[in-house]
Amino acid sequence: GAGVSQTPSNKVTEKGKYVELRCDPISGHTALYWYRQSLGQGPEFLIYFQGTGAADDSGLPNDRFFAVRPEGSVSTLKIQRTERGDSAVYLCASSLGGAGSDTQYFGPGTRLTVL
Amino acid sequence: GDSVTQMEGPVTLSEEAFLTINCTYTATGYPSLFWYVQYPGEGLQLLLKATKADDKGSNKGFEATYRKETTSFHLEKGSVQVSDSAVYFCALSEWGAQKLVFGQGTRLTINP
Repeated sequence: GAGVSQTPSNKVTEKGKYVELRCDPISGHTALYWYRQSLGQGPEFLIYFQGTGAADDSGLPNDRFFAVRPEGSVSTLKIQRTERGDSAVYLCASSLGGAGSDTQYFGPGTRLTVL
Repeated sequence: GDSVTQMEGPVTLSEEAFLTINCTYTATGYPSLFWYVQYPGEGLQLLLKATKADDKGSNKGFEATYRKETTSFHLEKGSVQVSDSAVYFCALSEWGAQKLVFGQGTRLTINP
């Protein structure tokens, strides 16, 4: 079946602009995660949704970052007043439930470049 | 806080060589442990996992054993192939939490 999809695959923006990144999880998966991966590093956790609610947003770096999942399926990560340091690959993952032992399935990522 | 440390890369081996990629972790509770792999041009995918001490995860000829006493989860393969060239990430998920904590990744290149 279809995996996790993310759009756009690449996004180039200017410093100070607003961007939205979209994630479409695997159908039926209740848990959804956002991570950020900088060049040469492992992914870093940003936020976790169980259903429609953000169950853990402890990884969001500051209040410029916000994410929603209004209907418990598609999620959007929103970044206001982008900075050059926000440049990274943003990964979305989903899992069937929210247990720590559940396998997380990752999308291909959105490469964000802030000029 | 929780953390994962992997052996630094890059690692370059010849085909059919034995592979070990070291991974150690720090956690306050009883984490689940994972190895994820990222092949060139592809997304992260789960390679194997273990959810409790002394469990062995295995897949595609790779193995890793959850060693609580040494807080380790080393990845091994007896005979690597060119197609194993990829970046490998060790990760943990603390019991009761959902987020994955990743190591920095180890780039593996296998030469024919």
